[in-house]
Amino acid sequence: NAGVTQTPKFRVLKTGQSMTLLCAQDMNHEYMYWYRQDPGMGLRLIHYSVGEGTTAKGEVPDGYNVSRLKKQNFLLGLESAAPSQTSVYFCASTTGLGDSYEQYFGPGTRLTVT
Amino acid sequence: GNSVTQMEGPVTLSEEAFLTINCTYTATGYPSLFWYVQYPGEGLQLLLKATKADDKGSNKGFEATYRKETTSFHLEKGSVQVSDSAVYFCALRNNAGNMLTFGGGTRLMVKP
Repeated sequence: NAGVTQTPKFRVLKTGQSMTLLCAQDMNHEYMYWYRQDPGMGLRLIHYSVGEGTTAKGEVPDGYNVSRLKKQNFLLGLESAAPSQTSVYFCASTTGLGDSYEQYFGPGTRLTVT
Repeated sequence: GNSVTQMEGPVTLSEEAFLTINCTYTATGYPSLFWYVQYPGEGLQLLLKATKADDKGSNKGFEATYRKETTSFHLEKGSVQVSDSAVYFCALRNNAGNMLTFGGGTRLMVKP
């Protein structure tokens, strides 16, 4: 049981380049999330999904797109990277049920845009 | 809207000192409250949680009590260790919703 995995772990992009971050979970969770973490700002929600084939915008969605074609995978895309997207990106998942609610996080992807 | 405010760090303590990290929140209804911990180079892990007023969450020697009257969920530990050095995040889940609102995080550094 690997939990939540993210690829790649590190990436450097030039301004204007595109890339896709992959998140995979093996816990059969319905809900998945993409966050970015910036110094002093905690985690901010980019996009999320409440099930296969669904996506929704979070707090800071501009410049990002997502897809959830399979229940276990949640992809985050940057079509034209900007230096403001330099950050650490975390994926999380949860069953979304009752008092046992807990989000499980991946190890993160550190992205630098030059 | 929902918001979570944490004391700014870093908090630097000597080993075996008492730890308090303050957390206050603004939310409608009856949120659930969480503390997550992030060790260097890793993702966040749930440390403890409380789902209703006056509940106390505890784990690994850490405790936090859900105080509705003061809208607070302060994290405490009686005797910190070097291995507790990490970033601590307070978060809330509003009612039965499926999203978390995080505070800005507090870095704890424990020196031997």
